[in-house]
Amino acid sequence: DVKVTQSSRYLVKRTGEKVFLECVQDMDHENMFWYRQDPGLGLRLIYFSYDVKMKEKGDIPEGYSVSREKKERFSLILESASTNQTSMYLCASSLGGTGGRGTEAFFGQGTRLTVV
Amino acid sequence: AQSVAQPEDQVNVAEGNPLTVKCTYSVSGNPYLFWYVQYPNRGLQFLLKYITGDNLVKGSYGFEAEFNKSQTSFHLKKPSALVSDSALYFCAVRERSGNTGKLIFGQGTTLQVKP
Repeated sequence: DVKVTQSSRYLVKRTGEKVFLECVQDMDHENMFWYRQDPGLGLRLIYFSYDVKMKEKGDIPEGYSVSREKKERFSLILESASTNQTSMYLCASSLGGTGGRGTEAFFGQGTRLTVV
Repeated sequence: AQSVAQPEDQVNVAEGNPLTVKCTYSVSGNPYLFWYVQYPNRGLQFLLKYITGDNLVKGSYGFEAEFNKSQTSFHLKKPSALVSDSALYFCAVRERSGNTGKLIFGQGTTLQVKP
Protein backbone atom coordinates (compact mmCIF):
# COMPACT_ATOMS: atom_id res chain seq x y z
CA ASP A 1 0.00 0.00 0.00
CA VAL A 2 1.03 3.55 -0.69
CA LYS A 3 1.98 5.41 2.39
CA VAL A 4 2.13 9.17 2.66
CA THR A 5 3.42 10.32 6.02
CA GLN A 6 3.24 13.82 7.41
CA SER A 7 5.69 14.56 10.18
CA SER A 8 3.19 16.02 12.65
CA ARG A 9 -0.51 15.57 13.37
CA TYR A 10 -0.82 18.74 15.43
CA LEU A 11 1.37 21.84 15.58
CA VAL A 12 1.08 25.08 17.52
CA LYS A 13 3.32 27.93 16.40
CA ARG A 14 3.66 31.60 17.20
CA THR A 15 3.03 34.43 14.77
CA GLY A 16 6.19 35.25 12.83
CA GLU A 17 7.82 31.87 13.28
CA LYS A 18 9.20 29.96 10.32
CA VAL A 19 7.31 26.68 10.08
CA PHE A 20 8.27 23.50 8.23
CA LEU A 21 5.74 20.82 7.36
CA GLU A 22 7.31 17.62 6.09
CA CYS A 23 5.81 14.93 3.88
CA VAL A 24 7.32 11.63 2.79
CA GLN A 25 5.90 9.06 0.37
CA ASP A 26 7.19 5.55 -0.17
CA MET A 27 5.85 4.65 -3.62
CA ASP A 28 8.30 6.45 -5.88
CA HIS A 29 5.61 8.85 -7.07
CA GLU A 30 6.64 11.73 -9.29
CA ASN A 31 3.84 14.10 -8.28
CA MET A 32 3.47 15.58 -4.83
CA PHE A 33 1.02 18.19 -3.58
CA TRP A 34 0.26 20.42 -0.63
CA TYR A 35 -3.35 21.35 0.00
CA ARG A 36 -4.97 23.46 2.62
CA GLN A 37 -8.40 22.46 3.95
CA ASP A 38 -10.80 24.96 5.52
CA PRO A 39 -14.49 24.41 6.36
CA GLY A 40 -16.76 25.31 3.47
CA LEU A 41 -13.84 25.89 1.11
CA GLY A 42 -12.84 22.32 0.39
CA LEU A 43 -9.23 21.62 -0.50
CA ARG A 44 -7.22 24.38 -2.09
CA LEU A 45 -3.92 23.68 -3.80
CA ILE A 46 -0.95 25.59 -2.41
CA TYR A 47 1.94 24.13 -4.42
CA PHE A 48 2.72 21.01 -6.34
CA SER A 49 5.80 19.31 -7.71
CA TYR A 50 6.02 16.90 -10.63
CA ASP A 51 9.71 16.09 -10.28
CA VAL A 52 12.68 16.62 -8.00
CA LYS A 53 13.52 20.33 -7.68
CA MET A 54 10.50 21.21 -9.83
CA LYS A 55 7.61 23.14 -8.32
CA GLU A 56 4.59 25.05 -9.48
CA LYS A 57 2.28 27.42 -7.71
CA GLY A 58 -1.21 26.31 -7.02
CA ASP A 59 -4.21 28.50 -6.31
CA ILE A 60 -3.09 30.01 -3.01
CA PRO A 61 0.74 30.14 -2.85
CA GLU A 62 1.07 33.47 -1.06
CA GLY A 63 2.91 33.16 2.23
CA TYR A 64 4.20 29.68 1.43
CA SER A 65 7.18 28.11 -0.27
CA VAL A 66 8.16 24.50 -0.93
CA SER A 67 11.22 22.36 -1.30
CA ARG A 68 11.72 19.05 -3.07
CA GLU A 69 15.33 17.97 -2.90
CA LYS A 70 14.55 14.25 -2.98
CA LYS A 71 11.84 12.42 -4.84
CA GLU A 72 10.20 11.01 -1.73
CA ARG A 73 10.09 14.22 0.31
CA PHE A 74 8.10 17.43 -0.21
CA SER A 75 8.31 20.18 2.37
CA LEU A 76 5.95 23.11 2.87
CA ILE A 77 7.45 26.22 4.45
CA LEU A 78 5.60 29.07 6.07
CA GLU A 79 8.18 31.83 5.95
CA SER A 80 6.52 33.92 8.68
CA ALA A 81 3.47 32.26 10.14
CA SER A 82 0.33 34.32 10.53
CA THR A 83 -2.96 33.56 12.27
CA ASN A 84 -4.78 33.31 8.94
CA GLN A 85 -2.61 30.29 8.13
CA THR A 86 -4.26 28.32 10.92
CA SER A 87 -5.69 25.36 9.02
CA MET A 88 -5.50 21.67 8.19
CA TYR A 89 -2.68 20.91 5.74
CA LEU A 90 -2.81 17.81 3.58
CA CYS A 91 0.01 16.31 1.56
CA ALA A 92 -0.66 13.97 -1.37
CA SER A 93 1.27 12.04 -3.99
CA SER A 94 0.43 10.40 -7.30
CA LEU A 95 2.08 8.61 -10.17
CA GLY A 96 3.36 10.97 -12.85
CA GLY A 97 3.93 10.85 -16.58
CA THR A 98 1.57 9.39 -19.13
CA GLY A 99 1.36 6.19 -17.13
CA GLY A 100 -0.06 8.11 -14.23
CA ARG A 101 -2.95 9.63 -16.09
CA GLY A 102 -6.20 8.67 -14.47
CA THR A 103 -4.55 7.36 -11.34
CA GLU A 104 -5.69 8.55 -7.96
CA ALA A 105 -3.75 10.60 -5.46
CA PHE A 106 -2.92 9.25 -2.01
CA PHE A 107 -3.14 11.49 1.02
CA GLY A 108 -1.34 11.80 4.30
CA GLN A 109 -3.24 12.01 7.58
CA GLY A 110 -3.04 15.79 7.71
CA THR A 111 -1.36 18.34 9.98
CA ARG A 112 -3.58 20.62 11.97
CA LEU A 113 -1.61 23.83 12.39
CA THR A 114 -2.61 26.51 14.86
CA VAL A 115 -0.82 29.86 14.74
CA VAL A 116 -1.24 31.94 17.89
CA ALA B 1 -11.90 28.41 -15.26
CA GLN B 2 -12.01 24.88 -13.98
CA SER B 3 -14.32 24.24 -11.07
CA VAL B 4 -16.16 21.57 -9.15
CA ALA B 5 -19.41 22.19 -7.32
CA GLN B 6 -21.01 20.16 -4.57
CA PRO B 7 -24.30 22.00 -4.14
CA GLU B 8 -25.22 20.52 -0.76
CA ASP B 9 -23.25 21.31 2.38
CA GLN B 10 -24.97 18.45 4.18
CA VAL B 11 -27.05 15.43 3.24
CA ASN B 12 -29.15 13.64 5.84
CA VAL B 13 -30.49 10.13 5.29
CA ALA B 14 -31.91 7.38 7.44
CA GLU B 15 -29.99 4.14 7.77
CA GLY B 16 -31.08 1.66 5.12
CA ASN B 17 -32.28 4.33 2.70
CA PRO B 18 -30.50 5.13 -0.55
CA LEU B 19 -28.17 8.11 -0.58
CA THR B 20 -26.97 10.51 -3.25
CA VAL B 21 -24.23 13.12 -2.92
CA LYS B 22 -24.17 15.48 -5.87
CA CYS B 23 -21.24 16.78 -7.89
CA THR B 24 -21.06 18.88 -11.05
CA TYR B 25 -17.96 20.11 -12.81
CA SER B 26 -16.77 22.64 -15.32
CA VAL B 27 -13.58 21.45 -16.99
CA SER B 28 -12.51 21.51 -20.61
CA GLY B 29 -12.70 18.20 -22.42
CA ASN B 30 -13.48 14.93 -20.68
CA PRO B 31 -11.84 14.92 -17.28
CA TYR B 32 -10.98 12.13 -14.93
CA LEU B 33 -13.38 12.16 -11.97
CA PHE B 34 -12.84 11.03 -8.40
CA TRP B 35 -14.62 10.69 -5.07
CA TYR B 36 -12.83 10.76 -1.74
CA VAL B 37 -14.08 10.34 1.83
CA GLN B 38 -12.69 11.92 4.98
CA TYR B 39 -13.36 10.73 8.51
CA PRO B 40 -12.80 13.17 11.42
CA ASN B 41 -9.20 14.27 11.85
CA ARG B 42 -7.99 11.99 9.07
CA GLY B 43 -6.66 12.39 5.56
CA LEU B 44 -8.67 11.66 2.44
CA GLN B 45 -9.37 8.10 1.35
CA PHE B 46 -9.97 7.25 -2.28
CA LEU B 47 -13.43 5.77 -3.01
CA LEU B 48 -13.77 5.48 -6.77
CA LYS B 49 -12.93 7.05 -10.11
CA TYR B 50 -14.23 7.42 -13.64
CA ILE B 51 -11.67 7.09 -16.40
CA THR B 52 -13.57 5.86 -19.43
CA GLY B 53 -16.16 3.32 -20.47
CA ASP B 54 -19.24 2.42 -18.46
CA ASN B 55 -20.87 5.48 -16.96
CA LEU B 56 -21.62 3.66 -13.72
CA VAL B 57 -18.51 2.96 -11.70
CA LYS B 58 -18.32 0.92 -8.52
CA GLY B 59 -15.96 1.61 -5.66
CA SER B 60 -15.16 0.84 -2.07
CA TYR B 61 -17.70 0.18 0.73
CA GLY B 62 -20.61 -0.36 -1.69
CA PHE B 63 -20.45 3.12 -3.19
CA GLU B 64 -20.99 3.81 -6.85
CA ALA B 65 -21.09 6.90 -9.02
CA GLU B 66 -22.75 7.80 -12.28
CA PHE B 67 -20.99 9.88 -14.90
CA ASN B 68 -23.32 12.02 -16.99
CA LYS B 69 -21.50 13.84 -19.74
CA SER B 70 -24.41 15.97 -20.93
CA GLN B 71 -25.11 17.23 -17.41
CA THR B 72 -21.39 17.34 -16.46
CA SER B 73 -22.22 15.51 -13.27
CA PHE B 74 -20.71 12.69 -11.26
CA HIS B 75 -23.09 11.92 -8.40
CA LEU B 76 -22.09 9.49 -5.65
CA LYS B 77 -24.67 6.89 -4.68
CA LYS B 78 -25.24 3.98 -2.37
CA PRO B 79 -28.35 1.78 -2.35
CA SER B 80 -28.51 1.36 1.43
CA ALA B 81 -26.79 3.80 3.79
CA LEU B 82 -25.01 2.77 6.98
CA VAL B 83 -24.43 4.90 10.08
CA SER B 84 -20.71 4.29 9.52
CA ASP B 85 -20.95 6.07 6.15
CA SER B 86 -21.30 9.36 8.03
CA ALA B 87 -18.31 11.43 6.93
CA LEU B 88 -17.18 14.30 4.68
CA TYR B 89 -17.19 13.52 0.96
CA PHE B 90 -15.20 15.29 -1.73
CA CYS B 91 -15.58 15.21 -5.48
CA ALA B 92 -12.48 15.98 -7.56
CA VAL B 93 -11.58 16.34 -11.22
CA ARG B 94 -8.37 16.13 -13.17
CA GLU B 95 -7.79 17.16 -16.76
CA ARG B 96 -6.87 14.42 -19.23
CA SER B 97 -4.08 16.48 -20.76
CA GLY B 98 -0.84 17.01 -18.89
CA ASN B 99 1.01 14.76 -16.50
CA THR B 100 1.08 16.75 -13.28
CA GLY B 101 -1.89 15.02 -11.69
CA LYS B 102 -3.32 18.26 -10.40
CA LEU B 103 -6.72 17.69 -8.76
CA ILE B 104 -9.44 20.28 -8.33
CA PHE B 105 -11.77 19.64 -5.41
CA GLY B 106 -15.30 20.60 -4.57
CA GLN B 107 -16.07 22.18 -1.21
CA GLY B 108 -17.20 18.92 0.34
CA THR B 109 -20.52 17.49 1.50
CA THR B 110 -21.12 16.18 4.99
CA LEU B 111 -23.16 12.99 4.97
CA GLN B 112 -25.13 12.26 8.13
CA VAL B 113 -26.75 8.84 8.37
CA LYS B 114 -29.15 8.49 11.29
CA PRO B 115 -30.15 5.18 12.86
